[in-house]
Amino acid sequence: GQNIDQPTEMTATEGAIVQINCTYQTSGFNGLFWYQQHAGEAPTFLSYNVLDGLEEKGRFSSFLSRSKGYSYLLLKELQMKDSASYLCAAMDSNYQLIWGAGTKLIIKP
Amino acid sequence: DTAVSQTPKYLVTQMGNDKSIKCEQNLGHDTMYWYKQDSKKFLKIMFSYNNKELIINETVPNRFSPKSPDKAHLNLHINSLELGDSAVYFCASSQGGGLAGEVETQYFGPGTRLLVL
Repeated sequence: GQNIDQPTEMTATEGAIVQINCTYQTSGFNGLFWYQQHAGEAPTFLSYNVLDGLEEKGRFSSFLSRSKGYSYLLLKELQMKDSASYLCAAMDSNYQLIWGAGTKLIIKP
Repeated sequence: DTAVSQTPKYLVTQMGNDKSIKCEQNLGHDTMYWYKQDSKKFLKIMFSYNNKELIINETVPNRFSPKSPDKAHLNLHINSLELGDSAVYFCASSQGGGLAGEVETQYFGPGTRLLVL
C-alpha cells in the first residue's frame, strides 16, 4: 500500500533550527511536496523535490533521497509565525498526491 | 483577488439534509480537486476534474456528486448527510496535473468546515 510517515508533533525554540522528517512508500514516484498549513487555514505550497539533494529557498530547505524514500524539511532562524502543521505529500505513478497527516510544529519563545 | 475561493466557509446542518459547496478559481487552471480533511488531519482526494471532465473518482459514497459547469468551477453536492461527513472540505486547482506526465503544484481554497448534527 501507499504510505507517508511523519512525526505528529515537534517543538522548537524561536531562532533555532528544526528538521521535519518524512518517509514515503508509493506506487511509482513523481516527486515530493511540502506544504504549510496554519490552524484553520488552507495548505500552502512550500517546496517540490524530484531529484536527490537539497533545495534551498530562503529560511526553508527541502532534501530528498529517492533510494531511501526519505525527505526532510529544514527550517532555520525559526519565527513564531512558523508555528503550523507541515504536510509531506508524495506524487505516485498516476500523478496523484498521497498525503501524510502533517507534523504540528510548536515554536516557543 | 482570491485565487481559489469556496463558499460557504462554515456549514452546520442536520443529518439527512442535502447541501452544496461551491468552488471557483481565477487562476486559469485546467484541473480542480476536492479533498476531505478529517479530524486526524489526513487530506484525502475525493474527485479531480480536468477541463470539466472527471479524471479521479476515489471510493467515496455516491451521496457525493461533483459538478463542473466550466473549468473555473467545481461544486460538490452531498445528499443525505451523515455524522461522519463532518470534516473540512478543501477545493484545489492546478495548471495541469492528474494526467500522465504532468507534475503541477496544487493551490488550495480556504476550506469549508462542515458540521453535521
